[in-house]
Amino acid sequence: AQSVSQHNHHVILSEAASLELGCNYSYGGTVNLFWYVQYPGQHLQLLLKYFSGDPLVKGIKGFEAEFIKSKFSFNLRKPSVQWSDTAEYFCAVEWSNDYKLSFGAGTTVTVRA
Amino acid sequence: EAQVTQNPRYLITVTGKKLTVTCSQNMNHEYMSWYRQDPGLGLRQIYYSMNVEVTDKGDVPEGYKVSRKEKRNFPLILESPSPNQTSLYFCASSSLAGAFGTQYFGPGTRLLVL
Repeated sequence: AQSVSQHNHHVILSEAASLELGCNYSYGGTVNLFWYVQYPGQHLQLLLKYFSGDPLVKGIKGFEAEFIKSKFSFNLRKPSVQWSDTAEYFCAVEWSNDYKLSFGAGTTVTVRA
Repeated sequence: EAQVTQNPRYLITVTGKKLTVTCSQNMNHEYMSWYRQDPGLGLRQIYYSMNVEVTDKGDVPEGYKVSRKEKRNFPLILESPSPNQTSLYFCASSSLAGAFGTQYFGPGTRLLVL
């Protein structure tokens, strides 16, 4: 079965620290990849997405993610976090043979001022 | 304002009492979907719809029904709710499926089934 794994359930950082969140998916083939963020009390919103081309994708708010096909990974990074980055982050994968979107369990990121 | 709306936002019900959660979008999107969010499990797709009168099962469709009679509306129906359907539900829409369309999420409906 297709699945998406996020390695960390909860990450706690200080401001200005670097952030990297891992995401792996279980199945090969062509995929579309997403990172979503859910700030406290708000809707999910798209941070960035990849479907083809340059495997290094830049998103909003200084986030980027790198698609490594050989490792079935799509890790999210931010070089210097801010208190306002406190949120829950979800990786999502859509396999091109259907239009179902599968999410990882999410990683809660807490940034201490 | 472009948005996805859901009603109700909060609902407490009892086992077996049929309920409907409405979802509406004003962006003329073709693709709509429903998710449930549970702690430690992330979001799981319940049903999705590529267009009017076209619906397909997601990963966890059991106990749910949907319909897509109009482009803007995609109601989620629980014919006989059970306590394991207590969850936070999100509706989403996008102009296209896949990475070509960005999904817009509604505010969520928190359901408690007693």
